[in-house]
Amino acid sequence: GAVVSQHPSWVICKSGTSVKIECRSLDFQATTMFWYRQFPKQSLMLMATSNEGSKATYEQGVEKDKFLINHASLTLSTLTVTSAHPEDSSFYICSARGGRDSLIGYNSPLHFGNGTRLTVT
Amino acid sequence: AQKVTQAQTEISVVEKEDVTLDCVYETRDTTYYLFWYKQPPSGELVFLIRRNSFDEQNEISGRYSWNFQKSTSSFNFTITASQVVDSAVYFCALSDTGAAGNKLTFGGGTRVLVKP
Repeated sequence: GAVVSQHPSWVICKSGTSVKIECRSLDFQATTMFWYRQFPKQSLMLMATSNEGSKATYEQGVEKDKFLINHASLTLSTLTVTSAHPEDSSFYICSARGGRDSLIGYNSPLHFGNGTRLTVT
Repeated sequence: AQKVTQAQTEISVVEKEDVTLDCVYETRDTTYYLFWYKQPPSGELVFLIRRNSFDEQNEISGRYSWNFQKSTSSFNFTITASQVVDSAVYFCALSDTGAAGNKLTFGGGTRVLVKP
């Protein structure tokens, strides 16, 4: 089945530093990737939609200058949390899908990475 | 705007009991998909089932079954003969087939604890 790999699985960083999280589709071309954030014991909230080769679309209330998303290839999207602060500590999880003609296509169930637990001290 | 409500925040059962998770959704779209995902303590999201808005046939897949009632906008999920490994948070989710593709709106989740 489709596999989405996310790295790192956990990271601890100091306040003010930046952290990059990678999301890779291992066996299909991901034309679109989605980034979610999940605070402890809460639901998943969509942060942004990333389309390969174009700028990400951010959800209302998400700071695009703080959460930089790059989707430079069909198998890799990155989320960079810039100048991280303790309130950014959360579980970040990506998901991916292929194009309309893809086996992991437009209406296929999203496949999620294993998530990244970010702790900012 | 889309909305998914899971009224049950936590359910505790003894092994082998059945567990039914409630999900109610709101959408203005006529075409949409509904999903159930499982999130074990390790954090990953595991896809369980999907239903599209045109298919109200209820099915059983192993120990999982679901009841989709479009008239009441509900998409309930049942685990039969629960096992300790079923302990996890279960999320109901809704997507549309518009330009956003598979952008998902998640419910708040229901934590299921299966005791031996």
